[in-house]
Amino acid sequence: DAGVIQSPRHEVTEMGQEVTLRCKPISGHNSLFWYRQTMMRGLELLIYFNNNVPIDDSGMPEDRFSAKMPNASFSTLKIQPSEPRDSAVYFCASRRGGTVLETQYFGPGTRLLVL
Amino acid sequence: DAKTTQPTSMDCAEGRAANLPCNHSTISGNEYVYWYRQIHSQGPQYIIHGLKNNETNEMASLIITEDRKSSTLILPHATLRDTAVYYCIVPTGANSKLTFGKGITLSVRP
Repeated sequence: DAGVIQSPRHEVTEMGQEVTLRCKPISGHNSLFWYRQTMMRGLELLIYFNNNVPIDDSGMPEDRFSAKMPNASFSTLKIQPSEPRDSAVYFCASRRGGTVLETQYFGPGTRLLVL
Repeated sequence: DAKTTQPTSMDCAEGRAANLPCNHSTISGNEYVYWYRQIHSQGPQYIIHGLKNNETNEMASLIITEDRKSSTLILPHATLRDTAVYYCIVPTGANSKLTFGKGITLSVRP
């Protein structure tokens, strides 16, 4: 089985540009999570979806960030406009069920650098 | 989430057991203890979880004290590939999500 797939793996962009990160969860998983990791703040949950519906977006830093899950096999995290402080590794994770008892499986991450 | 406290770092020799402690003194009766690890430049990986009884799988063992206020993750024969940050997490069931703290950095030396 393929794991969680994220693209691109690396992204370098200039301040002010739009950035779109993509995630394909494991087939059959109905919960999807977006995390951000920096040295200063560690691994932070941005948003999570259950059955394609956003359940908790309290971690989304500001209006420049938006996430969508149009179907069970695809999600995007968009930053518009991007700023240097958005530079981080962004991880997507998926889980089979809707409870914390199910294991989360993480993707390899997208390394974003905003110049 | 119930607060967890872990040492910042520890090391052990390759082939020896690595015992990683975690304190979670405010844990409630129905809250589980989870362990994940993150190898450098990779996404976190699930290791094990438990409620009251000790648990063992192909990766590790989890020992939970009788009062449930602390636990120890045991890697019985550590290898260089076990060098990673290990996170002890006690999620609050209502919100059904994991909150990662700083974790403990385990360095396995040859």
